[in-house]
Amino acid sequence: DQQVKQNSPSLSVQEGRISILNCDYTNSMFDYFLWYKKYPAEGPTFLISISSIKDKNEDGRFTVFLNKSAKHLSLHIVPSQPGDSAVYFCAFNGGATNKLIFGTGTLLAVQP
Amino acid sequence: DAGVTQSPTHLIKTRGQQVTLRCSPISGHKSVSWYQQVLGQGPQFIFQYYEKEERGRGNFPDRFSARQFPNYSSELNVNALLLGDSALYLCASSLTGDQPQHFGDGTRLSIL
Repeated sequence: DQQVKQNSPSLSVQEGRISILNCDYTNSMFDYFLWYKKYPAEGPTFLISISSIKDKNEDGRFTVFLNKSAKHLSLHIVPSQPGDSAVYFCAFNGGATNKLIFGTGTLLAVQP
Repeated sequence: DAGVTQSPTHLIKTRGQQVTLRCSPISGHKSVSWYQQVLGQGPQFIFQYYEKEERGRGNFPDRFSARQFPNYSSELNVNALLLGDSALYLCASSLTGDQPQHFGDGTRLSIL
């Protein structure tokens, strides 16, 4: 059973525009949500996070939104830059062990 | 400051062999987690260690084992390698096992 779904395998955006990446989950016990960015031949890099008691968190060009009733997480990047081109994973804190449960990733391509 | 370091970066083995992968966490981090990432998927949790004790284990067979040393470095061992074990193996560290976890660049394991 897949607890985390990123339904868009890829996304193409023009430089300067907004990128919106989406993630749906099924387990209402998740209490901490994260986004990671991954370049080829590198490990995932932590980007931004949000706890279940909030619905929005901002860090510069990156904003994460959490809709608990819809079990939906999104990441907004504005303005998008070519250097943002990477695979983006949503991840969820999976209980007492603090293991991360990852989505399948969305490949973002920002066109100059 | 050095991030999470993993060795080796690439490894080629044949079916039935055994492999040991190594990880050094960020200085001061006492928790190490291991993940397996196969092509097209997000990382899957294998183990978490904190203060040399196993704190969590994912849905992997007993061929997978790990340990953490007094200096908080860790090894992941896989016995009786199968073709399906071909993957990127990622190590992540955090202060106490909490979030966010910070990842190394991984070891690419290929099984022939």
